[in-house]
Amino acid sequence: NAGVTQTPKFRVLKTGQSMTLLCAQDMNHEYMYWYRQDPGMGLRLIHYSVGEGTTAKGEVPDGYNVSRLKKQNFLLGLESAAPSQTSVYFCASSWSGVSTEAFFGQGTRLTVV
Amino acid sequence: DAKTTQPPSMDCAEGRAANLPCNHSTISGNEYVYWYRQIHSQGPQYIIHGLKNNETNEMASLIITEDRKSSTLILPHATLRDTAVYYCIVRVWMDSSYKLIFGSGTRLLVRP
Repeated sequence: NAGVTQTPKFRVLKTGQSMTLLCAQDMNHEYMYWYRQDPGMGLRLIHYSVGEGTTAKGEVPDGYNVSRLKKQNFLLGLESAAPSQTSVYFCASSWSGVSTEAFFGQGTRLTVV
Repeated sequence: DAKTTQPPSMDCAEGRAANLPCNHSTISGNEYVYWYRQIHSQGPQYIIHGLKNNETNEMASLIITEDRKSSTLILPHATLRDTAVYYCIVRVWMDSSYKLIFGSGTRLLVRP
């Protein structure tokens, strides 16, 4: 039982390049989330999904796209990376119930130069 | 926007209890209070959550006031490894799903 696994752990991109971050969970959770964390700040919700085939926007969705083709995977895409997207990205998953904890991955540190 | 307010930093001595306060005056009747912590830049780690009753687990205790407008996380015997940023979060139902909306948290420093 690996929990929530994010790949890659580190990445450096040039401005304008694209990439996809992968989040995989093996707990059969319905909900999955992508957050970003900038230095000295709390986490901000980018996009989320309430089930396979569904996605929705969070607080800061601009510049990102997501897909959830399989229940266990949630992909975060950057089509044209910008320096403002330099951040640490965290994925999380949870059950859909009213009283349930979320499990977080260990993060992907992305630098856009 | 985050529905919670926390002091930006606190410290306590190793072996003593750490009491971390949180205000959530706009909490709704069915919204739970969650506490997470983040050590260095690792992924947030779940600590405890509650609705209106006090809760205790192997990590901490959560005391929620009767009017539910504030709560306190208690680490009974803080160790150096408890140095972290602690987030008090209200899990909200919004746009057809539950969400954790993070604030800035409290940076707890445990002193030797």
